[in-house]
Amino acid sequence: GAVVSQHPSWVICKSGTSVKIECRSLDFQATTMFWYRQFPKQSLMLMATSNEGSKATYEQGVEKDKFLINHASLTLSTLTVTSAHPEDSSFYICKTGQETQYFGPGTRLLVL
Amino acid sequence: QKEVEQDPGPLSVPEGAIVSLNCTYSNSAFQYFMWYRQYSRKGPELLMYTYSSGNKEDGRFTAQVDKSSKYISLFIRDSQPSDSATYLCAMSASNNNDMRFGAGTRLTVKP
Repeated sequence: GAVVSQHPSWVICKSGTSVKIECRSLDFQATTMFWYRQFPKQSLMLMATSNEGSKATYEQGVEKDKFLINHASLTLSTLTVTSAHPEDSSFYICKTGQETQYFGPGTRLLVL
Repeated sequence: QKEVEQDPGPLSVPEGAIVSLNCTYSNSAFQYFMWYRQYSRKGPELLMYTYSSGNKEDGRFTAQVDKSSKYISLFIRDSQPSDSATYLCAMSASNNNDMRFGAGTRLTVKP
């Protein structure tokens, strides 16, 4: 069964609104979670690494004030896309694990 | 030069064919090598996981790593239509570290 869940699986929103995506580890404690973004027909691009109880580390070119990450517990990390715009439309996927890393099922965001 | 290079395809083969998927990389620090399968609109799922050089076999899938050439391969024997997906190679320098991904190769197995 799935060991990492994401919610919602898809979301459509208006430009300017904020969207929160949740990533949960189901069977283990996840001290580190990785957030990726995938545009159509492109590979996964790492956006940020979140560590439980501390600030996330963002990859170059990713705006930390636009993509807010909270990792307040060992089983939950959230990614909030603030003031979303159509260019933020993408497939957002989290990844976490202990010895083996598992991807969540992804969240498809469409900003109109 | 990208850290990980992978031909995006698309690759189309008849059912039963042997499929060969490859990636090259430039970072000699990579030691962990993975192959993921991603169906359309789904998250990637781990297929094969290899540490350092060598071969690993799991059913119809064989992963090969040649660190001296910085080249990894995934072979699929007796390919099935259900193998149709995008295959992503990934690698990292340490376990539980962030991974670098190839662009993914889109595979179609025709019945």
